[in-house]
Amino acid sequence: GENVEQHPSTLSVQEGDSAVIKCTYSDSASNYFPWYKQELGKGPQLIIDIRSNVGEKKDQRIAVTLNKTAKHFSLHITETQPEDSAVYFCAARGYQKVTFGIGTKLQVIP
Amino acid sequence: GAVVSQHPSWVICKSGTSVKIECRSLDFQATTMFWYRQFPKQSLMLMATSNEGSKATYEQGVEKDKFLINHASLTLSTLTVTSAHPEDSSFYICSARAVGSPLHFGNGTRLTVT
Repeated sequence: GENVEQHPSTLSVQEGDSAVIKCTYSDSASNYFPWYKQELGKGPQLIIDIRSNVGEKKDQRIAVTLNKTAKHFSLHITETQPEDSAVYFCAARGYQKVTFGIGTKLQVIP
Repeated sequence: GAVVSQHPSWVICKSGTSVKIECRSLDFQATTMFWYRQFPKQSLMLMATSNEGSKATYEQGVEKDKFLINHASLTLSTLTVTSAHPEDSSFYICSARAVGSPLHFGNGTRLTVT
């Protein structure tokens, strides 16, 4: 089955700096890659996603890149703000099942 | 955007009793719903996949007789934890999606079994 690796597990950045979270996947059949933000005590919220026929997607301060050949995809958050502090999960979806990474705890220091 | 409502948000029950958790898609028809369990500081562990009108597909190691899943309509799935024990205490999260649409999550249910 699919295996998704995510790093780093924790990340601290100064407010205003950028944050990058990287993931790799193993199943070349995976064709959809969402990113989720989970705040304490809440369910994950979809923040951005990318399909395998696209190399990059941007939504305001958030961008995601995908390298299908290398099976890498990354989340980029620019101009970080304290409210960006949360746990971020990458995921990969093949036929039906979504496989999640282990999560990255992002702390934005004011 | 798509909204998934999960209820209750938290529940405390005594060992040996059963607890039902509801997951509703409020503004879309969810052909597939998923149930996850999440331990502190860990990722989401898929427990089962539920398609409307059919039996749930359980992941390896998940007891189907203990975690009863019903997906009777396109907007509602329920997870019943039967004969709960303290080791069942966890954060349970549902998700739902329509065909070709992204996955959306409920806000989770914190279950504490005393």
